[in-house]
Amino acid sequence: EDQVTQSPEALRLQEGESSSLNCSYTVSGLRGLFWYRQDPGKGPEFLFTLYSAGEEKEKERLKATLTKKESFLHITAPKPEDSATYLCAVHTGGFKTIFGAGTRLFVKA
Amino acid sequence: GAGVSQSPSNKVTEKGKDVELRCDPISGHTALYWYRQSLGQGLEFLIYFQGNSAPDKSGLPSDRFSAERTGGSVSTLTIQRTQQEDSAVYLCASSPSGTEPYEQYFGPGTRLTVT
Repeated sequence: EDQVTQSPEALRLQEGESSSLNCSYTVSGLRGLFWYRQDPGKGPEFLFTLYSAGEEKEKERLKATLTKKESFLHITAPKPEDSATYLCAVHTGGFKTIFGAGTRLFVKA
Repeated sequence: GAGVSQSPSNKVTEKGKDVELRCDPISGHTALYWYRQSLGQGLEFLIYFQGNSAPDKSGLPSDRFSAERTGGSVSTLTIQRTQQEDSAVYLCASSPSGTEPYEQYFGPGTRLTVT
C-alpha cells in the first residue's frame, strides 16, 4: 500500500535555528513529490515539485531534496513568519496524490 | 488571474440536513479534487474529476456523499443526512492535468460544522 509519513509531527525552533523536516514514502512508482505550506484557516500553498532522486530546489530559506526513499525540507535561519504546517505529497501515476499528515513548525522570535 | 474559490466559507447545519459545497476551479484546469481535513489532520482524498468524469469515487466515505462537475468547471459536493462526524474542512483543488504530476492549487476551504 502506498504510504507517506512525515516527521516530526511538530517542531519548535528559535529564530535563526536551522533544521530539517522529513517525508518518507513507500509507493509503487513515484512520478513527483510535492511540498506545500498551509497556514491556519487556509488551503495548502504549493512550494516545490521534485521528480527524481538527487534533485534539489530552493526558495528563499527553504531547500527541498529528494532520494529514492525520502525527501527533506531544509529550513535555514527560519523566521517567525515561516511558522506553518508543511505538507508532503506524492503523485504515483494515474490521478491520485497521497498526502502526509504534515509537520507543524513553530518559530519563536 | 483568479484562484480556486469555494463557497460557503463556513456552514453550520443540523444533524440530518443536506448540504451542498461549491468549488470554482482555475479556468482551464481539467483536473479537480475534493479533500477533507479534520482538525490537526492531513488531507483525506475524496474524489477526483478529469473534465466532467470521476474515474474514482472510492474515497467518498459513504453513499451519503456525492459530487458532480458540470461544463468542465464548477463542482458541487453534496452530503446528505449530515452526521457529526462529517464536521471538517472540505478543500477543493484544481490542476492542469490529473494524470501528470502537476501541482494542485487549493481553495480556502469550507468549514462544515454539524450540530
